[in-house]
Amino acid sequence: NAGVTQTPKFRILKIGQSMTLQCTQDMNHNYMYWYRQDPGMGLKLIYYSVGAGITDKGEVPNGYNVSRSTTEDFPLRLELAAPSQTSVYFCASSRDRSTDTQYFGPGTRLTVL
Amino acid sequence: AQTVTQSQPEMSVQEAETVTLSCTYDTSENNYYLFWYKQPPSRQMILVIRQEAYKQQNATENRFSVNFQKAAKSFSLKISDSQLGDTAMYFCAFNDAGNMLTFGGGTRLMVKP
Repeated sequence: NAGVTQTPKFRILKIGQSMTLQCTQDMNHNYMYWYRQDPGMGLKLIYYSVGAGITDKGEVPNGYNVSRSTTEDFPLRLELAAPSQTSVYFCASSRDRSTDTQYFGPGTRLTVL
Repeated sequence: AQTVTQSQPEMSVQEAETVTLSCTYDTSENNYYLFWYKQPPSRQMILVIRQEAYKQQNATENRFSVNFQKAAKSFSLKISDSQLGDTAMYFCAFNDAGNMLTFGGGTRLMVKP
């Protein structure tokens, strides 16, 4: 049981490039989330999903897109990378509502130059 | 919108002593959930303790306990018998039974030998 896994661990992008951050969970959780953590700050919710085929915006969705075709996977897409997207990205999942304990992946450190 | 405030950016404690981390929040809801997460240098977010607002009894998990003061909107974390492995960032988080977990800015705790 691996929990929540994220790839890659680190990535450097040039301004305007695109990339997809992968997130997979093997706990059969319905809810999944993407957060970003800027230096010295708490986490902010980007997008979340309450089940396959259903996604919704969080607090800071601009510049990102998500999809949820399966229960296990919840990729985050950056279409036109900007320096403001330099951050650490965390994926998380919970069994039911977000009031349940959220289990986090190890994070992806992204730098946009 | 809910806000979560951690007024202590950094704290230190001697090994085996007790330390209390502060957290206040602002909400007009009556039913909600509060969490403390730990983020060690590995960056992995780990749940420390969870409190449901309708429960008057303070949550405890081994050496970790909370002082939940609903009227004062305060949710402090007490760590007893501090250990070197407790060195980490600690985040207080709030959920109003919706789909968004709101995090405070964090407190960096250093446990000294």
